[in-house]
Amino acid sequence: QSVLTQPPSVSGAPGQGVTISCTGTSSNIGARYGVHWYQHLPGTVPRLLIHTNNNRASGVPDRFSGSKSGTSASLTISGLQAEDEADYYCQSYDDSLSGSGVFGGGTRLTVL
Amino acid sequence: VQLVQSGPEVKKPGESLNISCQLSGYTVTRYWVAWVRQMPGKGLEWMGAVYPDDSDNRVSPSLRGQVTISADRFSNTAYLQWTSLKASDTGMYYCARHRWSGSVQTEFDFWGQGTQVTVSS
Repeated sequence: QSVLTQPPSVSGAPGQGVTISCTGTSSNIGARYGVHWYQHLPGTVPRLLIHTNNNRASGVPDRFSGSKSGTSASLTISGLQAEDEADYYCQSYDDSLSGSGVFGGGTRLTVL
Repeated sequence: VQLVQSGPEVKKPGESLNISCQLSGYTVTRYWVAWVRQMPGKGLEWMGAVYPDDSDNRVSPSLRGQVTISADRFSNTAYLQWTSLKASDTGMYYCARHRWSGSVQTEFDFWGQGTQVTVSS
């Protein structure tokens, strides 16, 4: 069971938008740590999409955006494209685990 | 920036293993190196991290005593070690760098290519 909770799957048609939620607690997302988002396609290396809640990593299209409020965060992908089909993970750190890194369980995005 | 990991490994239960992550293209003393694993069919899991400059390290509470995370600042290499592998250690292992911003750890911005470890009798 992951420390951060994500929906197992989301889907959307090309051109539509989807939002992936990431729920934590006061010792991780609600604490002093930022939330980071990664895209992971099968057989490839995880790619940083969003860092520190809402900052796009270098080269990431502005279709990807992030937000954080209280003990939750979300990743929004607008204008879905076929190549967006992948697993998405949120990540932070947790004071109750001595500052250990923590990931969400991952969300599989299917582009219909 | 490059994090280049050692090649795939096939081991038997009970054997020891040391996989590596060679760091280059950046100032190694400004970043920590974390190890992240993905077991078959599962998500990403943070295992621990090491600071190559002085080998300060931390390991996930769930993995303490099972793995050792270390580094050699002279060769700019981070290591993940097992003394007695189990079949459940089978998976893909990634190294990734991150900074500290004040007292807060930050994102994993560059990743190694991954090392596949297979433990089977």
